[in-house]
Amino acid sequence: ETGVTQSPTHLIKTRGQQVTLRCSSQSGHNTVSWYQQALGQGPQFIFQYYREEENGRGNFPPRFSGLQFPNYSSELNVNALELDDSALYLCASSGSGGALETQYFGPGTRLLVL
Amino acid sequence: AQSVTQPDIHITVSEGASLELRCNYSYGATPYLFWYVQSPGQGLQLLLKYFSGDTLVQGIKGFEAEFKRSQSSFNLRKPSVHWSDAAEYFCAALTGGGNKLTFGTGTQLKVEL
Repeated sequence: ETGVTQSPTHLIKTRGQQVTLRCSSQSGHNTVSWYQQALGQGPQFIFQYYREEENGRGNFPPRFSGLQFPNYSSELNVNALELDDSALYLCASSGSGGALETQYFGPGTRLLVL
Repeated sequence: AQSVTQPDIHITVSEGASLELRCNYSYGATPYLFWYVQSPGQGLQLLLKYFSGDTLVQGIKGFEAEFKRSQSSFNLRKPSVHWSDAAEYFCAALTGGGNKLTFGTGTQLKVEL
């Protein structure tokens, strides 16, 4: 059984640029959630995708957007990067997008915005 | 607002000593609670979870946690800490209708040999 994978592992961008992060969900999972973890903080929920539809969103601006594909992999896109976007971005997959589902996390993508 | 609080930012214990990491939650209904561990530069690994039933839950790596509704707590314990347990530990609750994890700020555990 393959776990959650993310790419790239590290990324450096400059302010104003756009970035795309990718996540492959664990086998058998159809739900992907994205979290931002700033240095020294706990992860903050960005949004969740269930069967290619957004299924909940945290307190993040519209320049944070996402996609989920038919194979349940997902992308997180961030436009107009700001310095405060520097963080570890974590993807988690779970079974069905309903309540009580355990989320399993990938290793994350560390983004540095200069 | 629903929240999870981890009062201890850093904890240092000696190898072989017992460990308790504190977690408090603020919710109206019965929360669904988790403990995750994060090693440096890594993602989050699930240690254990509480949904309902027995308030003492067992997890991986010898960890356990006890849900106490009267104290709004879900503390993580281990009877004997190993040097490899040094990591950051996060308590989390499932909120937002069940699709969102709300995390505490984490407790950094250091183990002295």
